Amino acid sequence: GAGVSQTPSNKVTEKGKYVELRCDPISGHTALYWYRQSLGQGPEFLIYFQGTGAADDSGLPNDRFFAVRPEGSVSTLKIQRTERGDSAVYLCASSLGRGVLDGYTFGSGTRLTVV
Amino acid sequence: SQQGEEDPQALSIQEGENATMNCSYKTSINNLQWYRQNSGRGLVHLILIRSNEREKHSGRLRVTLDTSKKSSSLLITASRAADTASYFCATVEQGAQKLVFGQGTRLTINP
Repeated sequence: GAGVSQTPSNKVTEKGKYVELRCDPISGHTALYWYRQSLGQGPEFLIYFQGTGAADDSGLPNDRFFAVRPEGSVSTLKIQRTERGDSAVYLCASSLGRGVLDGYTFGSGTRLTVV
Repeated sequence: SQQGEEDPQALSIQEGENATMNCSYKTSINNLQWYRQNSGRGLVHLILIRSNEREKHSGRLRVTLDTSKKSSSLLITASRAADTASYFCATVEQGAQKLVFGQGTRLTINP
C-alpha cells in the first residue's frame, strides 16, 4: 500500500489478556520500528527490525512484550498478561533502511486501552 | 528514554505570525529530524538535517542545527490554522539506527 497500515486502530482489552497489534509497512522498506506513546509524551522506542531480525530490542519494557517479523514485511507486536499501564498508542514506522538518509513513515497507530 | 527537551512545551500565536520551537539533545548525532503529529496519532516527517549541515529549508519551514550547543530550532513562517499540531524533534545517534524523540511542543494557531 501507499502508507504504513496498523490494525486494529483501537483495541480495548481486559487486564491479564493477550493482545496482538499488526503493522504492514511500505512495500520495499527493510527497516521497521515500534514505538509506544503515552498521553502528552513523545514516542518511546520499543524495537527495531532490519529485515526479519530484531536489530535492537532494548526498548521492550519487560518479557511480556514480544515482536516478530517472520517474512521481513508484516510485523506483529504481542503483549502478554496486559496491565493497565500498557495503555498507550502503539506506533509503527518503516524506512528504506539507509540509516542517516531516511525519515520514517509512521502509521496512524493502535490505541490500546487495558481496563 | 527521551533524548532531550523541547522548548516551549506549548505555544499559541496568531495566524500569520512566525512560530519558533527549540530542541536540545544530549549525545553525538548522525541527524536530527522534525515530525508533526495531529490528534495524538500518526507522525508526519517534516525535515531531516544531517550533523554536518547547519541550516535547511523546506517551504515555510526552516531548521537550524548547532552541534556545538546540541540544539536545533524549527521555524514555521506565515503560520496557518492548519499548522496547529504537536511538533517533535528526534535524533539518530551516531552508530545507531533508532530515532529518539523529545517531549514535543504543542502549537496552536489562532485564526
